[in-house]
Amino acid sequence: KAGVTQTPRYLIKTRGQQVTLSCSPISGHRSVSWYQQTPGQGLQFLFEYFSETQRNKGNFPGRFSGRQFSNSRSEMNVSTLELGDSALYLCASSWGTWTSGGQETQYFGPGTRLLVL
Amino acid sequence: AQKITQTQPGMFVQEKEAVTLDCTYDTSDPSYGLFWYKQPSSGEMIFLIYQGSYDQQNATEGRYSLNFQKARKSANLVISASQLGDSAMYFCAMREGGIQGAQKLVFGQGTRLTINP
Repeated sequence: KAGVTQTPRYLIKTRGQQVTLSCSPISGHRSVSWYQQTPGQGLQFLFEYFSETQRNKGNFPGRFSGRQFSNSRSEMNVSTLELGDSALYLCASSWGTWTSGGQETQYFGPGTRLLVL
Repeated sequence: AQKITQTQPGMFVQEKEAVTLDCTYDTSDPSYGLFWYKQPSSGEMIFLIYQGSYDQQNATEGRYSLNFQKARKSANLVISASQLGDSAMYFCAMREGGIQGAQKLVFGQGTRLTINP
């Protein structure tokens, strides 16, 4: 079974530009979550999409947005890039249907390394 | 407020020795799940082990075991017979209850483990 894939793997942008990152989940998974990883802030949750709807959201400005398509693939968009947006962006997929006490693991992709100059 | 605490920024261990990575958490939700992930230098997060708050026994997965002490709110990862390939960053993460099925992991700051030959 293919794992989570993310494209592109590396990206260099300049301040003020916008960027779109893509994530293809494991086949059958309907939940896609996005995380930002920086040396200073660590790993932070951005948002989660399930069946094309945003179900959960972290504490990030509105410049960060996302969407999910009917095939569960997800895109994340960052507008008006700032230097502080330089980070590793990780996407994770899961079934998204766990119930109380149940295990459901998120499986991560290799990430997209974004450098903002 | 930080909910996952990993107090060991770095650890150095001899090959074949056992190693314990510490993790404490804070939550008022009776239903939660605890995860450990490994992140090699390539960046991808690799799932290692899971412990649910209602699980009566400590989780084990091959060389990995989780020392779960619920009253102390700790979930330490134990790696037996360490190998050179275990050198990586290790993250403890928690998923609280809330919306069933919704995915949002809160991560600790991580521990960098180095295995010496």
